Amino acid sequence: AQTVTQSQPEMSVQEAETVTLSCTYDTSENNYYLFWYKQPPSRQMILVIRQEAYKQQNATENRFSVNFQKAAKSFSLKISDSQLGDTAMYFCAFMQGNTGNQFYFGTGTSLTVIP
Amino acid sequence: DARVTQTPRHKVTEMGQEVTMRCQPILGHNTVFWYRQTMMQGLELLAYFRNRAPLDDSGMPKDRFSAEMPDATLATLKIQPSEPRDSAVYFCASGPTGLSYGYTFGSGTRLTVV
Repeated sequence: AQTVTQSQPEMSVQEAETVTLSCTYDTSENNYYLFWYKQPPSRQMILVIRQEAYKQQNATENRFSVNFQKAAKSFSLKISDSQLGDTAMYFCAFMQGNTGNQFYFGTGTSLTVIP
Repeated sequence: DARVTQTPRHKVTEMGQEVTMRCQPILGHNTVFWYRQTMMQGLELLAYFRNRAPLDDSGMPKDRFSAEMPDATLATLKIQPSEPRDSAVYFCASGPTGLSYGYTFGSGTRLTVV
Protein backbone atom coordinates (compact mmCIF):
# COMPACT_ATOMS: atom_id res chain seq x y z
CA ALA A 1 0.00 0.00 0.00
CA GLN A 2 1.07 3.54 -0.60
CA THR A 3 1.74 5.78 2.37
CA VAL A 4 1.22 9.50 2.70
CA THR A 5 2.81 11.43 5.55
CA GLN A 6 1.90 14.85 6.81
CA SER A 7 4.33 15.66 9.58
CA GLN A 8 2.71 18.90 10.77
CA PRO A 9 -0.44 18.16 12.81
CA GLU A 10 -1.11 21.86 13.41
CA MET A 11 0.02 25.12 11.90
CA SER A 12 -0.96 28.74 12.16
CA VAL A 13 -0.36 31.77 9.99
CA GLN A 14 -1.15 35.44 10.18
CA GLU A 15 -3.75 36.73 7.80
CA ALA A 16 -2.22 37.87 4.49
CA GLU A 17 0.96 35.89 5.12
CA THR A 18 2.21 32.80 3.28
CA VAL A 19 2.27 29.29 4.73
CA THR A 20 3.56 25.98 3.41
CA LEU A 21 2.11 22.60 4.37
CA SER A 22 4.31 19.55 3.91
CA CYS A 23 3.48 16.16 2.48
CA THR A 24 5.64 13.21 1.58
CA TYR A 25 4.62 9.93 0.06
CA ASP A 26 6.06 6.54 -0.63
CA THR A 27 5.46 4.66 -3.85
CA SER A 28 7.25 2.54 -6.40
CA GLU A 29 4.86 3.59 -9.12
CA ASN A 30 5.71 6.06 -11.83
CA ASN A 31 2.21 7.03 -12.88
CA TYR A 32 0.19 8.67 -10.15
CA TYR A 33 -1.65 11.78 -9.07
CA LEU A 34 -1.44 13.92 -5.99
CA PHE A 35 -4.10 16.09 -4.45
CA TRP A 36 -4.70 18.51 -1.65
CA TYR A 37 -8.15 18.56 -0.08
CA LYS A 38 -9.45 21.14 2.35
CA GLN A 39 -11.92 20.30 5.11
CA PRO A 40 -13.32 23.39 6.85
CA PRO A 41 -15.40 23.17 10.04
CA SER A 42 -18.44 22.43 7.87
CA ARG A 43 -16.62 19.07 7.25
CA GLN A 44 -17.14 19.27 3.50
CA MET A 45 -14.10 17.88 1.68
CA ILE A 46 -13.10 20.32 -1.05
CA LEU A 47 -10.53 19.67 -3.74
CA VAL A 48 -7.94 22.43 -3.66
CA ILE A 49 -5.36 21.40 -6.23
CA ARG A 50 -4.09 18.39 -8.15
CA GLN A 51 -0.77 17.40 -9.69
CA GLU A 52 0.00 14.77 -12.29
CA ALA A 53 3.28 12.99 -11.57
CA TYR A 54 4.37 13.06 -15.19
CA LYS A 55 4.17 16.84 -15.32
CA GLN A 56 7.21 18.68 -14.09
CA GLN A 57 5.45 22.02 -13.87
CA ASN A 58 4.01 22.76 -10.46
CA ALA A 59 0.24 23.19 -10.35
CA THR A 60 -1.25 26.54 -9.38
CA GLU A 61 -4.80 27.54 -8.50
CA ASN A 62 -5.11 31.20 -7.61
CA ARG A 63 -3.48 31.61 -4.16
CA PHE A 64 -2.67 27.91 -3.91
CA SER A 65 0.39 26.35 -5.45
CA VAL A 66 2.40 23.21 -4.95
CA ASN A 67 6.06 22.36 -4.86
CA PHE A 68 6.27 18.91 -6.39
CA GLN A 69 9.62 17.20 -6.00
CA LYS A 70 9.21 13.80 -7.61
CA ALA A 71 12.63 12.42 -6.76
CA ALA A 72 12.20 13.38 -3.14
CA LYS A 73 8.56 12.22 -3.15
CA SER A 74 7.50 15.51 -1.72
CA PHE A 75 4.34 17.48 -2.45
CA SER A 76 3.96 20.64 -0.39
CA LEU A 77 1.13 23.15 -0.56
CA LYS A 78 1.78 26.86 -0.44
CA ILE A 79 -1.02 29.23 0.46
CA SER A 80 -0.29 32.85 -0.36
CA ASP A 81 -2.12 35.85 1.08
CA SER A 82 -3.80 33.66 3.69
CA GLN A 83 -7.43 34.44 4.42
CA LEU A 84 -9.60 33.62 7.40
CA GLY A 85 -11.60 31.26 5.21
CA ASP A 86 -8.50 29.16 4.71
CA THR A 87 -8.81 27.92 8.28
CA ALA A 88 -9.39 24.19 7.85
CA MET A 89 -7.88 20.73 7.93
CA TYR A 90 -5.78 20.05 4.85
CA PHE A 91 -5.31 16.53 3.58
CA CYS A 92 -2.74 15.37 1.11
CA ALA A 93 -3.82 12.42 -1.04
CA PHE A 94 -2.15 10.02 -3.43
CA MET A 95 -3.80 8.05 -6.20
CA GLN A 96 -2.16 5.48 -8.41
CA GLY A 97 -2.79 6.34 -12.00
CA ASN A 98 -3.13 3.12 -13.93
CA THR A 99 -5.92 1.51 -12.02
CA GLY A 100 -7.76 4.62 -10.88
CA ASN A 101 -8.03 3.26 -7.41
CA GLN A 102 -8.63 4.70 -4.02
CA PHE A 103 -7.07 7.74 -2.49
CA TYR A 104 -4.48 7.25 0.18
CA PHE A 105 -4.84 10.12 2.58
CA GLY A 106 -2.38 11.66 4.99
CA THR A 107 -3.41 12.35 8.57
CA GLY A 108 -4.05 16.00 7.87
CA THR A 109 -2.71 19.37 8.98
CA SER A 110 -4.95 21.70 10.93
CA LEU A 111 -4.34 25.24 9.71
CA THR A 112 -5.51 28.28 11.62
CA VAL A 113 -5.39 31.71 10.04
CA ILE A 114 -5.02 34.36 12.73
CA PRO A 115 -6.62 37.76 12.17
CA ASP B 1 -22.69 22.89 -9.13
CA ALA B 2 -23.20 19.14 -9.18
CA ARG B 3 -22.93 17.59 -5.76
CA VAL B 4 -22.89 14.28 -3.95
CA THR B 5 -25.88 14.09 -1.63
CA GLN B 6 -25.70 12.15 1.61
CA THR B 7 -28.53 11.47 4.02
CA PRO B 8 -28.98 11.75 6.90
CA ARG B 9 -26.55 14.46 7.88
CA HIS B 10 -26.64 13.38 11.52
CA LYS B 11 -27.76 10.16 13.12
CA VAL B 12 -27.89 9.20 16.77
CA THR B 13 -28.81 5.63 17.50
CA GLU B 14 -28.65 3.11 20.29
CA MET B 15 -26.19 0.28 20.29
CA GLY B 16 -27.58 -2.76 18.51
CA GLN B 17 -29.79 -0.81 16.14
CA GLU B 18 -29.54 -0.95 12.37
CA VAL B 19 -28.23 2.15 10.62
CA THR B 20 -28.56 2.90 6.93
CA MET B 21 -26.72 5.75 5.26
CA ARG B 22 -27.52 6.83 1.73
CA CYS B 23 -25.60 8.51 -1.01
CA GLN B 24 -26.66 9.94 -4.34
CA PRO B 25 -23.56 10.25 -6.54
CA ILE B 26 -23.20 12.87 -9.21
CA LEU B 27 -25.02 11.89 -12.37
CA GLY B 28 -22.58 10.24 -14.74
CA HIS B 29 -20.04 9.34 -12.09
CA ASN B 30 -19.46 5.61 -12.29
CA THR B 31 -17.16 5.19 -9.29
CA VAL B 32 -18.45 5.54 -5.74
CA PHE B 33 -16.49 5.36 -2.51
CA TRP B 34 -17.37 5.08 1.16
CA TYR B 35 -14.87 6.53 3.63
CA ARG B 36 -14.99 6.71 7.40
CA GLN B 37 -13.32 9.52 9.32
CA THR B 38 -12.35 9.36 12.97
CA MET B 39 -9.90 11.33 15.04
CA MET B 40 -7.84 8.24 15.77
CA GLN B 41 -7.76 6.60 12.33
CA GLY B 42 -8.22 9.53 10.00
CA LEU B 43 -9.83 8.76 6.65
CA GLU B 44 -10.28 5.07 5.98
CA LEU B 45 -11.63 3.52 2.82
CA LEU B 46 -14.46 1.13 3.57
CA ALA B 47 -15.60 0.12 0.08
CA TYR B 48 -15.87 1.28 -3.46
CA PHE B 49 -17.85 0.50 -6.56
CA ARG B 50 -17.36 0.94 -10.25
CA ASN B 51 -20.37 0.72 -12.54
CA ARG B 52 -22.29 -0.50 -9.47
CA ALA B 53 -20.06 -3.54 -8.99
CA PRO B 54 -18.10 -3.75 -5.73
CA LEU B 55 -14.37 -3.55 -6.40
CA ASP B 56 -12.93 -3.49 -2.93
CA ASP B 57 -14.56 -3.77 0.46
CA SER B 58 -11.56 -5.04 2.36
CA GLY B 59 -11.66 -2.08 4.69
CA MET B 60 -15.11 -2.90 5.91
CA PRO B 61 -15.94 -5.16 8.89
CA LYS B 62 -17.92 -7.79 7.03
CA ASP B 63 -19.77 -9.13 10.02
CA ARG B 64 -21.73 -5.93 10.55
CA PHE B 65 -21.21 -3.64 7.58
CA SER B 66 -22.63 -3.97 4.09
CA ALA B 67 -22.47 -1.67 1.09
CA GLU B 68 -24.60 -1.82 -2.02
CA MET B 69 -25.54 0.12 -5.13
CA PRO B 70 -29.09 -0.86 -6.01
CA ASP B 71 -28.94 1.48 -8.98
CA ALA B 72 -26.65 4.11 -10.45
CA THR B 73 -28.26 6.90 -8.43
CA LEU B 74 -28.07 5.32 -4.99
CA ALA B 75 -25.37 3.83 -2.81
CA THR B 76 -26.10 2.55 0.67
CA LEU B 77 -23.97 1.70 3.67
CA LYS B 78 -25.61 -0.36 6.35
CA ILE B 79 -24.44 -1.24 9.84
CA GLN B 80 -26.22 -4.01 11.71
CA PRO B 81 -25.90 -4.18 14.64
CA SER B 82 -24.28 -0.83 15.38
CA GLU B 83 -21.70 -0.43 18.14
CA PRO B 84 -20.31 2.65 19.91
CA ARG B 85 -16.97 2.19 18.09
CA ASP B 86 -18.82 2.82 14.81
CA SER B 87 -19.30 6.46 15.82
CA ALA B 88 -17.64 8.49 13.08
CA VAL B 89 -18.31 10.64 10.06
CA TYR B 90 -19.06 8.57 7.00
CA PHE B 91 -18.31 10.12 3.63
CA CYS B 92 -19.46 9.13 0.21
CA ALA B 93 -17.45 10.31 -2.80
CA SER B 94 -17.94 9.83 -6.50
CA GLY B 95 -15.88 10.30 -9.62
CA PRO B 96 -16.09 9.78 -13.36
CA THR B 97 -13.99 7.51 -15.53
CA GLY B 98 -10.60 9.12 -15.67
CA LEU B 99 -10.27 9.57 -11.97
CA SER B 100 -7.27 11.79 -12.21
CA TYR B 101 -9.54 14.75 -11.69
CA GLY B 102 -10.20 13.69 -8.15
CA TYR B 103 -13.36 12.75 -6.39
CA THR B 104 -16.27 14.85 -5.21
CA PHE B 105 -17.23 14.25 -1.61
CA GLY B 106 -20.60 14.50 0.02
CA SER B 107 -21.10 16.40 3.26
CA GLY B 108 -20.90 13.25 5.30
CA THR B 109 -23.13 11.54 7.84
CA ARG B 110 -22.12 12.02 11.46
CA LEU B 111 -23.07 8.83 13.25
CA THR B 112 -23.21 8.59 17.02
CA VAL B 113 -23.93 5.23 18.59
CA VAL B 114 -24.79 5.42 22.28
